[in-house]
Amino acid sequence: EAQVTQNPRYLITVTGKKLTVTCSQNMNHEYMSWYRQDPGLGLRQIYYSMNVEVTDKGDVPEGYKVSRKEKRNFPLILESPSPNQTSLYFCASSFGTGGGELFFGEGSRLTVL
Amino acid sequence: KQEVTQIPAALSVPEGENLVLNCSFTDSAIYNLQWFRQDPGKGLTSLLLIQSSQREQTSGRLNASLDKSSGRSTLYIAASQPGDSATYLCAVRWTGANNLFFGTGTRLTVIP
Repeated sequence: EAQVTQNPRYLITVTGKKLTVTCSQNMNHEYMSWYRQDPGLGLRQIYYSMNVEVTDKGDVPEGYKVSRKEKRNFPLILESPSPNQTSLYFCASSFGTGGGELFFGEGSRLTVL
Repeated sequence: KQEVTQIPAALSVPEGENLVLNCSFTDSAIYNLQWFRQDPGKGLTSLLLIQSSQREQTSGRLNASLDKSSGRSTLYIAASQPGDSATYLCAVRWTGANNLFFGTGTRLTVIP
C-alpha cells in the first residue's frame, strides 16, 4: 500500500530535550516536505527536499533541522524544542519537484512543556 | 504578498444538497491548485489537482474549477452525504515556487 508513515504519532516532551520525528514513504517520490498545522494559521511549510541531499527552507524553518540521506526518509529534528513548537506536524511527498499530487502522512501531535 | 483565503470557515448543509466551497488567491501566476480533504485527527487526502492550463477537474461527485484571472477556485460537491463532512483545504503552488500555500480550510457538516 502506498503510504507516508510518520512516527511518533503523539509525543509530549519538555523544553530543550532533542527529538526527531521520522517520515518514510514507499512510493519512490523525489519530493518530500514538512508542514505544521496550527489553529487559525493553517498549514505552513517548514522544510522541503527535492531529492537526496537537496533540502531547502520553507516559510517557518526556525528551530528545525532536516536531512535527506536516503530517498525514502526525511526526518524532522528539533534540537532544542520550545513551547511555541507545540503543533500538529505533517510529512508529505510527491513525484518530481512537488508539482503533482501530494500524499500526506497521518500527522504527529507534539506537545512541548 | 501571496495568500490563499477560504470563506466561510464553516458550513452546514442538509443531506442531498449541492454545495460550493470557495478558494481565492492573490496572484494569478499560479502553477497549479489542489483541493484536499482532512478528517479529524487525520492527514490530508488529495481530492483534485488543477494545472494552470486547465479550467476544471472532475472526480465522481466533485468538480473543481479554476479562474486565474479572478483569483478563484471553487469545489462543487453534488448530492452531499454525511460522509462528506470534513475540512476542505485548497493549496496553491505559484509559478517559480517550490512550496504550497494553504488556505485555512472550510469545515463542512452535512446533516442527515
